[in-house]
Amino acid sequence: EVQLVESGGGLVQPGRSLRLSCAASGFTFEDYAMHWVRQAPGKGLEWVSGISWNSDSIGYADSVKGRFTISRDNAKNSLYLQMNSLRAEDTALYYCAKEIGRMVRGAHFDYWGQGTLVTVSS
Amino acid sequence: QSVLTQPPSASGTPGQRVTISCSGSRSNIGSNTVNWYQQLPGTAPKLLIYSNNQRPSGVPDRFSGSKSGTSASLAISGLQSEDEADYYCAAWDDSLNGPVFGGGTKLTVL
Repeated sequence: EVQLVESGGGLVQPGRSLRLSCAASGFTFEDYAMHWVRQAPGKGLEWVSGISWNSDSIGYADSVKGRFTISRDNAKNSLYLQMNSLRAEDTALYYCAKEIGRMVRGAHFDYWGQGTLVTVSS
Repeated sequence: QSVLTQPPSASGTPGQRVTISCSGSRSNIGSNTVNWYQQLPGTAPKLLIYSNNQRPSGVPDRFSGSKSGTSASLAISGLQSEDEADYYCAAWDDSLNGPVFGGGTKLTVL
């Protein structure tokens, strides 16, 4: 059974940093691209970042470019999101999602975690 | 403001057929396949339709998708109370170089 378990969320002050993690199991992690998708309270889905199977291809939404860094450790079956210079508008539930293929080249997420909540507030 | 445009709400009575539209542009729906996600209250999104009109294993055939030009639609026939959820369309955008979502449609079963 595919499982994606996010962690690392919490309350953080504006301008500070936070690192999210996603532990994957139930599939061959190194064979698939992975993504972070967020959902602000009461709002819709917003793609944040994606990384290819071998980390060679990485993409970011304009709203987080230069502040967030996605990475993965295939040996640990884990996905990460380093979030710096956090803003109030980054407050959201952050989901880890599995792509159906190796490359970051679609919007086809076949499995999602339950999300980890990030709240940016003073 | 979402890149893909969906109606904010839709409704129907049990047994009815409901359609949800998703409008985009040449750089997203016009050039790439469309996927649909269902988000039940308090849960993570779930893949409902992929590659415009394909259903993942376990999704009832009451759900169907279609695409024409720069628009797509999701149809739900034989509406059931458990279909009450938020529905999102999504597609890759060649100009933005990333996936884009619709703003979501809240489906109410009356």
